[in-house]
Parts: sequence; structure tokens; C-alpha cells
Amino acid sequence: SQELEQSPQSLIVQEGKNLTINCTSSKTLYGLYWYKQKYGEGLIFLMMLQKGGEEKSHEKITAKLDEKKQQSSLHITASQPSHAGIYLCGADPNYQLIWGAGTKLIIKP
Amino acid sequence: ETGVTQSPTHLIKTRGQQVTLRCSSQSGHNTVSWYQQALGQGPQFIFQYYREEENGRGNFPPRFSGLQFPNYSSELNVNALELDDSALYLCASSLTREWSDTQYFGPGTRLTVL
Repeated sequence: SQELEQSPQSLIVQEGKNLTINCTSSKTLYGLYWYKQKYGEGLIFLMMLQKGGEEKSHEKITAKLDEKKQQSSLHITASQPSHAGIYLCGADPNYQLIWGAGTKLIIKP
Repeated sequence: ETGVTQSPTHLIKTRGQQVTLRCSSQSGHNTVSWYQQALGQGPQFIFQYYREEENGRGNFPPRFSGLQFPNYSSELNVNALELDDSALYLCASSLTREWSDTQYFGPGTRLTVL
């Protein structure tokens, strides 16, 4: 079965700094979702990547999908307190989303 | 706001009891998925319903069951509760069952089993 591993598990970043979160799959990635979760709450959709090499941006968040490496990265530029939360990557190998364990992001003022 | 609501927000039960959690999907969304999220972990897929029929199931025992209704609401029922069932339960709705459809999550129900 396919597994997703996220790194790092947690990250403390000074406000204004850039950061990158990675999601690595144990099998070929045909597509990937990124979601954000505030502690103990539901997940908010960020973006979906469907093709190898695809890159999408929304405000200060950019995600890329590297099919060959079976990996996706999420990059945040000039981090803000509103970026704090848990970032989760998900893939759907067979009509059921599987998830990484999440990366907890803390923004230091 | 995703337009997906869940009730109750929090629930405390004792071992052996039964519980019903409810979800109201976005109008027009024919697919609802349920997930269990233990503290510090990613969500685990429980099952998915498409047009009132189970469309896929994760690695959960039969005491986890569900229903989907024509009015875009759904239920997750758990019988014979165990301590390990304590978790955040999330439902997510999507327009179709295609993987490329975005899933919209509710805020979750926090279940504590004592």
C-alpha cells in the first residue's frame, strides 16, 4: 500500500522567513493534495497537483510535484502568523485519500 | 467556511457504548468520506459513500458503519466503543467520486471514550 512521509515533523520559523515542507511517496505519485489544518479542526484545501512538474501558487504558498522523485514540496515565502498550523499532504491511489502525518508549523514573532 | 457541518462538536462516551456522528455535506455533493484522526497523526480513511451506497472502505472493523441520505446528510455509527476510538472524526464531501474532485472538510467531531 502507498504511504506518504512528510518532513520535517515540526518547524519553528521566524516571521518573515521562507520555509519548505516535503511530502515523499512510497509509490508513484499521480497527483497530490495539500491541505492545512488548524489545531483540532477540519482541513482547508490549499491546492492540488495533477501532473509531474506541475507548480501552483496561491498568495505566498507554492507547491511543486516531482513525479520522478515521488515527492512534492510546499514552499512558503515571507511567513506570517496566519501560516501557522498543520500542513498535510494527501494522495488518492484508489478513491480513498491517504495522508501524511502532517508538519506542524509554528511562526515566531 | 467549506459549507460542510458536523455535529456534535464534542462528545464523551464510555467504553462499550454506541455513538452516532452527523455530517451535512455541501448541497449537490454526492460523495461523502469519513476519516478518523488520532492526535498527532494524519487522517485515516474509514469509508466513502456515493449516492447512498458504500463506495470504498478503509481498514476499520464492521462496528464502524455509515449511512448517507438523499438530503446530503450522512451518519457515522460506531458500536461497542473502545478507548482507541478516541479521536477527531472528520467528514468530507465532494461533487463526484473522482479523485480529482476537491474534498471539502467539516470542522470535525471530537470523540472521547472513557
